[in-house]
Amino acid sequence: DVKVTQSSRYLVKRTGEKVFLECVQDMDHENMFWYRQDPGLGLRLIYFSYDVKMKEKGDIPEGYSVSREKKERFSLILESASTNQTSMYLCASTFTSSYNEQFFGPGTRLTVL
Amino acid sequence: SQQGEEDPQALSIQEGENATMNCSYKTSINNLQWYRQNSGRGLVHLILIRSNEREKHSGRLRVTLDTSKKSSSLLITASRAADTASYFCATDIGYKLSFGAGTTVTVRA
Repeated sequence: DVKVTQSSRYLVKRTGEKVFLECVQDMDHENMFWYRQDPGLGLRLIYFSYDVKMKEKGDIPEGYSVSREKKERFSLILESASTNQTSMYLCASTFTSSYNEQFFGPGTRLTVL
Repeated sequence: SQQGEEDPQALSIQEGENATMNCSYKTSINNLQWYRQNSGRGLVHLILIRSNEREKHSGRLRVTLDTSKKSSSLLITASRAADTASYFCATDIGYKLSFGAGTTVTVRA
């Protein structure tokens, strides 16, 4: 079975802290994605990566950066966390094909105080 | 920007009844996918329908696609308590997906 894991299920941080969210997939997928999910807004794409060390901005990249040093691992970084970044963060991965489903991790619920 | 919009936002049905939800989108697509999310968890892929297909079945799920109206529907037949979840449509933009805000389905015992 495809497995996408995220480093934490719940995380509480203080305003101004640097936050790392990690995602690991075990299916050798080329593409990896970070979304945030907020009530009434659905999933919004923050960043995605189509290869190691390659990244592209999604719809809401402001306040975030990413790192992909290895194919299986995609990290989301909040350089200086703010309260408006309190959200559910979802990681996903897929092969390079528009016909392929995305496989999601269980999500990290981040609260910034 | 979001491509798909689901309707209704929420749906409450009795166990055994059918649940229908709709998705409208704005631009041409290669395929449309439906996902399910149980409370506080990640999304799970349910079914994919390609732009040249009109209907697709998977178990108790039936999906239709009308590209002329830029709309899709998901029908869950003979609903069960375990079908209680949020359902999202997603349209492809290259190898990215654009998700709607979802329909929350509650199945009452």
